[in-house]
Amino acid sequence: EIVMTQSPATLSVSPGERATLSCRASQSVSSNLAWYQQKPGQAPRLLIYGASTRATGIPARFSGSGSGTEFTLTISSLQSEDFAVYYCQQYNNWPPPFGQGTKVEIK
Amino acid sequence: EVQLVQSGAEVKKPGESLKISCKGSGYSFTSYWIGWVRQMPGKGLEWMGIIYPGDSDTRYSPSFQGQVTISADKSISTAYLQWSSLKASDTAMYYCVRRSTYSYVVDYWGQGTLVTVSS
Repeated sequence: EIVMTQSPATLSVSPGERATLSCRASQSVSSNLAWYQQKPGQAPRLLIYGASTRATGIPARFSGSGSGTEFTLTISSLQSEDFAVYYCQQYNNWPPPFGQGTKVEIK
Repeated sequence: EVQLVQSGAEVKKPGESLKISCKGSGYSFTSYWIGWVRQMPGKGLEWMGIIYPGDSDTRYSPSFQGQVTISADKSISTAYLQWSSLKASDTAMYYCVRRSTYSYVVDYWGQGTLVTVSS
């Protein structure tokens, strides 16, 4: 079973700054990687799939990159509504595990 | 508008059985896989299993195989997650999710059902 590892566990960023989140797969998942955002008390929502394709309605400040085993989610200029927990998920095969999450908090 | 509406919060005792539901609307229920994702208090997301309502083909994550049963009734566009004997460690939020056309990407989430198991 593929294991997804996210880093860092917590990222402290000031509003307006850039945030860079990492996700590593224990074996290659090609570009079959998605990112989700979860705010407190809410269900997650899809941000990125195919490693770099934004889902419908997702602002351009969110971008994804990478392939194989190393992936990055970048938020170019953090807005107040972006402080949340972010999960990566591989979907190359079943089961499609999530990473343990990165919490983006206000610095 | 696609919606997944889950049944309400439950409080149960260890050893009791439970079945929670997820009703899909706004799309062809039999054409998309429906899955269940667990989130224990303060923890991350875990895939439990997934079902294709069109033919009831079901897959379970190894950690949940034999621990829960996933089913669906396509006549009422509803998927289910059930336990025969709950444990305190089943206390969690459970989300039903729709698998998109892009493999196991989740494009829609239910609002979640909080299950609390306590004596």
